[in-house]
Amino acid sequence: AQSVSQHNHHVILSEAASLELGCNYSYGGTVNLFWYVQYPGQHLQLLLKYFSGDPLVKGIKGFEAEFIKSKFSFNLRKPSVQWSDTAEYFCAVNARDNQGGKLIFGQGTELSVKP
Amino acid sequence: GAVVSQHPSRVICKSGTSVKIECRSLDFQATTMFWYRQFPKKSLMLMATSNEGSKATYEQGVEKDKFLINHASLTLSTLTVTSAHPEDSSFYICSARRFQGVGYTEAFFGQGTRLTVV
Repeated sequence: AQSVSQHNHHVILSEAASLELGCNYSYGGTVNLFWYVQYPGQHLQLLLKYFSGDPLVKGIKGFEAEFIKSKFSFNLRKPSVQWSDTAEYFCAVNARDNQGGKLIFGQGTELSVKP
Repeated sequence: GAVVSQHPSRVICKSGTSVKIECRSLDFQATTMFWYRQFPKKSLMLMATSNEGSKATYEQGVEKDKFLINHASLTLSTLTVTSAHPEDSSFYICSARRFQGVGYTEAFFGQGTRLTVV
């Protein structure tokens, strides 16, 4: 069975600081990887995704993530955060073999950016 | 991205009654829809996977007789919480994906339904 672990439960940064949120998954097969963001009171939105190809993936709003297969990791990064990045961030994995397309989510990381 | 609409956004019901939540994909045909439950400060827990025209597949520990899922068309799935109790109070979220070619598209999420059972 798949599982996803996000190491940081709550991260507090000042504006312009760099961000890295950890994500590790447990699954031996081929996976698709995602980062979703949930702003306060809003629905989940896709930040970026990895299906295949270049392991360094660029997403919206200046976010990027790097898939390191040997480490089963897909960490999210942003060089300079803004107050508007305050939100909950979820890493998710989908096994590409016959799992019916279901996404398994990590516990989430709450990011608070101080102005 | 695609739009998934969930209705209602909030519902309060009495203990023992049933509540139906609708999930519609507005601009694409969703091969598969998923229902999640989100607890406060917790992640999304997958409850079940539903494919159009077939029975839903429930995750371990989820009572299929309590959480009835119907996926009548490629654009509509419903979750009915039967004989609701206060412990069923939660935030329920649906998502939709389409299988195309070699795999699934990204998942699109509804805005969620806050269920409060009193």
